[in-house]
Order: sequence, then C-alpha cells, then structure tokens
Amino acid sequence: SYVLTQPPSVSVAPGQTARITCGGNNIGSKSVHWYQQKPGQAPVLVVYDDSDRPSGIPERFSGSNSGNTATLTISRVEAGDEADYYCQVWDSSSDHPGVVFGGGTKLTVL
Amino acid sequence: QVQLVESGGGLVKPGGSLRLSCAASGFTFSDYYMSWIRQAPGKGLEWVSYISSSGSTIYYADSVKGRFTISRDNAKNSLYLQMNSLRAEDTAVYYCARVVVNLYREGWFDPWGQGTLVTVSS
Repeated sequence: SYVLTQPPSVSVAPGQTARITCGGNNIGSKSVHWYQQKPGQAPVLVVYDDSDRPSGIPERFSGSNSGNTATLTISRVEAGDEADYYCQVWDSSSDHPGVVFGGGTKLTVL
Repeated sequence: QVQLVESGGGLVKPGGSLRLSCAASGFTFSDYYMSWIRQAPGKGLEWVSYISSSGSTIYYADSVKGRFTISRDNAKNSLYLQMNSLRAEDTAVYYCARVVVNLYREGWFDPWGQGTLVTVSS
C-alpha cells in the first residue's frame, strides 16, 4: 500500500518560514491535502488539492507538490501555528482503494 | 453552518461491540461521501472507512475489515459505524468527516466532528 513519510518534528522561530515535507512515490501525480491539529481538538483542513486554501485559512499557509515530495509552507510563523500537521492522499490507484495519512509532523515555535 | 456530531463512544470489553453515530447538519448530507477516521492516544491519524453518497460504494482499512461496518441513513442525515470483535488496539478517538472530491475523484476531509472516544479494555 502507499506510504507517506513526514519528519516527526520541525522547529522554527516566530516570523520565520516553516516547511513541512511529505514524501511518497511519485506523489506529484496525486492530490495532497494537509490538516492542522492542535492539542485536544479535531483536525482542520488547511490546504487541499496540493495548493488551494479553504476559506478562513490565512494566506500564510501554502502548498506545493512535485516529484516525490509535497510541501506545506507556513510563512511568518506565529505562536498559534504550533500544532501537529498531517498530509493525506486518496489512493485509488491500487486494487485496494483507500486513504493514506502521513505520520504527522509536530511544529514547534521556538 | 456545517456540523458533525459523533456519539456512542465508551468503555467496552475486548470482543465486545459498539455502534457509533454521526449526526450531520448544515449541508445536503445525501450529496456527499462520508468517512470515519480514528486516532489512538498519542498517535497519528488512521483512516477507517468511507461510504459513497448513496451507500453503494464502501471501503475499509485492512485493520478493521470484517469487523466494522459503515452505513448511512440519508433520510436521517446520519452516519454509523458498527464495531464488532473489538480489540485493545481499536482504542481511539473516532472522528466522522465529510468527504469532498475533486474532478479526479480524489477526496479530502472537511469538516471533521469533535470525535468520540472508544476504549477497549477489560
């Protein structure tokens, strides 16, 4: 089955740019979606279809996807961005369609 | 606004059963795929199952296939998850989520409910 690999943790100072990667075999051929989850809360969609933002999500959140790596970029990081971030794809290519999540990345704002 | 509210979680013994419900409001429930996703304590997200808008297409994760059954009642705007033969490793917060699909029929989850905790322990 398809595997998505994320770094366990990323640290960044306030005001800097955080980049969270999501690796997968030829992931550039799939649509990647990203979720933010703060402690004790349900996940919230922050980027869909590689680079689109739902209404209400700040422009500071952006995404890209090419080759074997998708990236969530958070510009001008704020303390409130500290959370776990998960990438997700819809794996319809195999004979066992399903949904795959990355293992998650904990973003720490220093 | 769009809202999903799960219920039915609780403590159950290994081998037992539980039925989760998800009440939807604020959108045309019958137009959307729906899904269950779970998260074990301190762990990441794990997709469990999804069901098409009509209920005709259903898929499960290998970890729950043969034990869990997803269903929906479009007249009641409700999604269900019947969980049988529960194991300790099924302990998790279970979220229901609306599925939005793109032109390539690849989907994402938006929004999610607040989750309901299922604890499997003797």
